[in-house]
Amino acid sequence: EVQLVQSGAEVKKPGESLKISCKGSGYSFTSYWIAWVRQMPGKGLEWMGIIYPGDSDTRYSPSFQGQVTMSADKSISTAYLQWSSLKASDTAMYYCARASGYGDYWGQGTLVTVSS
Amino acid sequence: EIVMTQSPGTLSVSPGERATLSCRASQSVSSNLAWYQQKPGQAPRLLIYGASTRATGIPARFSGSGSGTEFTLTISSLQSEDFAVYYCQQYNNWPPYIFGQGTKLEIK
Repeated sequence: EVQLVQSGAEVKKPGESLKISCKGSGYSFTSYWIAWVRQMPGKGLEWMGIIYPGDSDTRYSPSFQGQVTMSADKSISTAYLQWSSLKASDTAMYYCARASGYGDYWGQGTLVTVSS
Repeated sequence: EIVMTQSPGTLSVSPGERATLSCRASQSVSSNLAWYQQKPGQAPRLLIYGASTRATGIPARFSGSGSGTEFTLTISSLQSEDFAVYYCQQYNNWPPYIFGQGTKLEIK
């Protein structure tokens, strides 16, 4: 069974750093892209970017380029999304998804709250 | 950048009736179009990819059609569990893969 399990909810202050994770199982982790998708409170879905764990090839949506960093550790089948300096506007639910252009399997989401 | 426009924003339909949701792309995305369902507090669920192929485990009452710039998701006989928000997403042109703004399907 394909599963993506994300790390738990986070509460951070503006300016702090953060790294959230997405662990894949039940399939060849290095053979599929992983996408990160943002959903701000009460809003729609935004595709942030994708990473190919096999070689860490990474592609960012223009709106998120320079704002976040995606990475992967194929030895433990885990993808990461990180921020170096959080802003209040980063408050959102973040989903990872196995991506073949579309997201066929999704993690449960990680809620990130940034508040002073 | 491609713009995906869904209509209507909210659709009110009675259980057992048919629902038709639309998605329009600002330029051709060929058949590289997916549909998702999202219920409150849940992650999105893939329904349709390739504009018309049902994902694994998706009931036959869900069907997708269209190509190029005009797409439709049809739910033939609404069940109570179908009331949710539906998103389309193009994956023909990167960057980025754009979602539509969503259609909320509510009980009439």
